[in-house]
Amino acid sequence: GAGVSQSPSNKVTEKGKDVELRCDPISGHTALYWYRQSLGQGLEFLIYFQGNSAPDKSGLPSDRFSAERTGGSVSTLTIQRTQQEDSAVYLCASSVQVYEQYFGPGTRLTVT
Amino acid sequence: GENVEQHPSTLSVQEGDSAVIKCTYSDSASNYFPWYKQELGKGPQLIIDIRSNVGEKKDQRIAVTLNKTAKHFSLHITETQPEDSAVYFCAARTEGTYKYIFGTGTRLKVLA
Repeated sequence: GAGVSQSPSNKVTEKGKDVELRCDPISGHTALYWYRQSLGQGLEFLIYFQGNSAPDKSGLPSDRFSAERTGGSVSTLTIQRTQQEDSAVYLCASSVQVYEQYFGPGTRLTVT
Repeated sequence: GENVEQHPSTLSVQEGDSAVIKCTYSDSASNYFPWYKQELGKGPQLIIDIRSNVGEKKDQRIAVTLNKTAKHFSLHITETQPEDSAVYFCAARTEGTYKYIFGTGTRLKVLA
């Protein structure tokens, strides 16, 4: 079946602009994660959604970052007033339970 | 806070040899330990996992061992092949939570 999809695959934006990154999880997966992966680094947790529960936003690095999950499915990560240090690969993952996360291919964000 | 250390950061082996990657976690309440393989331009893919009630798990050429006392877990790849070349990440999750703490990754190169 279809895996986790993310769009766009690449995004180049100018410093100060806002960007939206989209994640389509696997159908039926109630849990959804966003991670950030800087060049040559591990995965940094950003935010977690589970069903209708309030999301855990504790990993968001600043108030310029926000995320929504509409209808328990598609999620959008928004970065306002982008900075060069926001350049990274943003990964989305979904899972049925807390085990076995399935990752999307990521969105490579470059802030110039 | 919780931490996962991963070693080595890079590893080169000859085709057919074995490769071992080691991780150490800090939170003694961690109870789930997945390993991910990330190929260039792709998201991480779960390759094997182990839960704290098991000391070893094997799947064909891949095995994971867990030493709860020492808070160590390791990935073993036998009879390595060029297609095993990738970046490997370990992670740990604590029971009752959904947050994963990732290691910083190991770049494995299998030389033909």
